[in-house]
Amino acid sequence: AQSVTQPDIHITVSEGASLELRCNYSYGATPYLFWYVQSPGQGLQLLLKYFSGDTLVQGIKGFEAEFKRSQSSFNLRKPSVHWSDAAEYFCAVVYGGSQGNLIFGKGTKLSVKP
Amino acid sequence: SAVISQKPSRDICQRGTSLTIQCQVDSQVTMMFWYRQQPGQSLTLIATANQGSEATYESGFVIDKFPISRPNLTFSTLTVSNLSPEDSSIYLCSVDPYPTIEQYFGPGTRLTVT
Repeated sequence: AQSVTQPDIHITVSEGASLELRCNYSYGATPYLFWYVQSPGQGLQLLLKYFSGDTLVQGIKGFEAEFKRSQSSFNLRKPSVHWSDAAEYFCAVVYGGSQGNLIFGKGTKLSVKP
Repeated sequence: SAVISQKPSRDICQRGTSLTIQCQVDSQVTMMFWYRQQPGQSLTLIATANQGSEATYESGFVIDKFPISRPNLTFSTLTVSNLSPEDSSIYLCSVDPYPTIEQYFGPGTRLTVT
């Protein structure tokens, strides 16, 4: 079955430090990839998406992600973390031809130390 | 994007009763989705609700337990029937407004069953 793996359940970084959250997806034709953020008590907010083209995509709140087809990865990065970035981050994928079937990873909880 | 509201934001229900969750969108959309997020877990798609047709349920979800209505292009309801403590979750609706595969989520309804 197609799946998304986020290997890190919980990550703690210091404020101002860089961040990388890992995401691997199972092989499939034409993956469309997303990162969502869920703050405590909130719904999901779309951070960025990759459909095609430039493999480095920019999102909101200073986040970026790089699509690497050879590694089936779509890692999320931020050069300098702010305390307000503490939240749960979900990677998700839709495969071409299956619109609506958004498959989520289990999420990575980010804590930020002052 | 689309602005999505859900009612209620949270509820505590007795075992054996039902809860109906409303999802309202600020624009007309063809595709709406309902997800469940169990405590500490990722999101799982319950069903796809397109206006003018019966909802399509994912494996493990049945219409008798999760009846869905989609009376128009801006509104949908999900009912969780015959509640048990295992139904305690966050229920989220989402829409694909264009459609372009990306989905936008409502704030969620937190259900606790006692």
